[in-house]
This record gives sequence, structure tokens and C-alpha cells, in this order.
Amino acid sequence: EVQLVESGGGWVQPGGSLRLSCVASEFTFGTYWISWVRQAPKKGLEWVANINQDGSVEFYADSVKGRFTSSRDNAQKSLYLQMNSLRAEDTAVYYCARLGMAGTSNWFDPWGQGTLVTVSS
Amino acid sequence: AIQMTQSPSSLSASVGDRVTITCRASQGIGNDLSWYQQKPGKAPTLLIYAASTLQSGVPSRFSGSGSGTDFTLTISSLQAEDFATYYCLQDNNYPWTFGQGTKVEIK
Repeated sequence: EVQLVESGGGWVQPGGSLRLSCVASEFTFGTYWISWVRQAPKKGLEWVANINQDGSVEFYADSVKGRFTSSRDNAQKSLYLQMNSLRAEDTAVYYCARLGMAGTSNWFDPWGQGTLVTVSS
Repeated sequence: AIQMTQSPSSLSASVGDRVTITCRASQGIGNDLSWYQQKPGKAPTLLIYAASTLQSGVPSRFSGSGSGTDFTLTISSLQAEDFATYYCLQDNNYPWTFGQGTKVEIK
């Protein structure tokens, strides 16, 4: 079964840093773009970042640009999200998701189970 | 950024009802739109991509239509397991943006 599993969430004080991981299984990880999406408590979904197959191309939401960096290790089938200068509004469940593509269309499938990041003093 | 206006924000329906959810983009996005279902405490799952293509394994009672700025997700006959929150996503332009969600509740 194609699967993504996130880890690394937890509690951090404002201004702190945290690194999330996402490990893939049962698909050729290095041939896919991967994304990060987050969901604040009781709120909707927010796209955070995309990273291409070899990690050379990244896109970020304005809300995290300059603070978050995504990277990947294809040999380890792993994706990372380094989050710095964290703010209370970064509190959310963070999901990684594989990007499907056809023509100009893209979609998230599958999603990981998510990892909760809480930023609070 | 492209704004995705999803409506209604919530609805109450009965098993067997036909349900329609709409997403309107603030500018044309071709057919670069997907739909997701999310149940409480769970990750979202893909229903529809490229506006109208049903994801493998998704029941045929789900369908998507539209292009440009106006899109629709239809559930032809609502089942008990369909009570959830539904989101649209545009991937035409960065930053990618989701609709605010539609919560489908039991009447």
C-alpha cells in the first residue's frame, strides 16, 4: 500500500524551531513531487510547500516563506520540513502528500496521517 | 492569490439526497481543480482531480464538473459514510488555495 508517515511534531515556544519528517513506502519516491499541507485546529486546509523530485525546485506559501524550508533524501525515501521562527499561527496538523500530475493538473494523493505542531509559550 | 469561494459552508441532508457543492475561483483556472473529503480526525482523501476525473476506488455517486471559474461536486445519492467535510483545491497558480470547506451533516 502506498503510504506516507509524518513524524517530528510537538510543542515548541514562539521563535523556536522544529523539523518534521515524512517517510514514504511502496512507491518510487524519487519520481514524485511531494507537498506539505497544514490544518489549524478547527480550521480549513492550507497549502504550505511543494518540492520537486530532486529537491532543486521549491514553492512556498507566503505565510511561511523565509521561515520554512523543505528538503528530501530520496535514498531514504524521506521528506523534511525545517520550520524556524515559529509563531502561534503555525499551530496546526501538518500533512505530507504525494503530488499526482497530468497535463496542467495536480492533486494530492495519498496523504499522510499528519503530525501536530503546537506553538505556545 | 486566487481565492476559492466554496458554498454552502454547511448543509444538512438525508441519506439518499442529491447534494451539490460549488467552488468559484476569483479568476479562470482551466480545469486545475480537485476535490477532497475529510472525516473528523482523519487526513483528507482525494475524490476528483482535473475537475471531473473520478479517482480510482471512489464510488461513482461522486462526480465533478466545471471549468474556468465555476466548479461543482455532486453526490448523486448521499450515503451514511459521506457525512464529512469537503474541500476544493486550485492548482493553476501559486499559491495553491483551498476553498473554506463544506460540512455535510445528517438532517
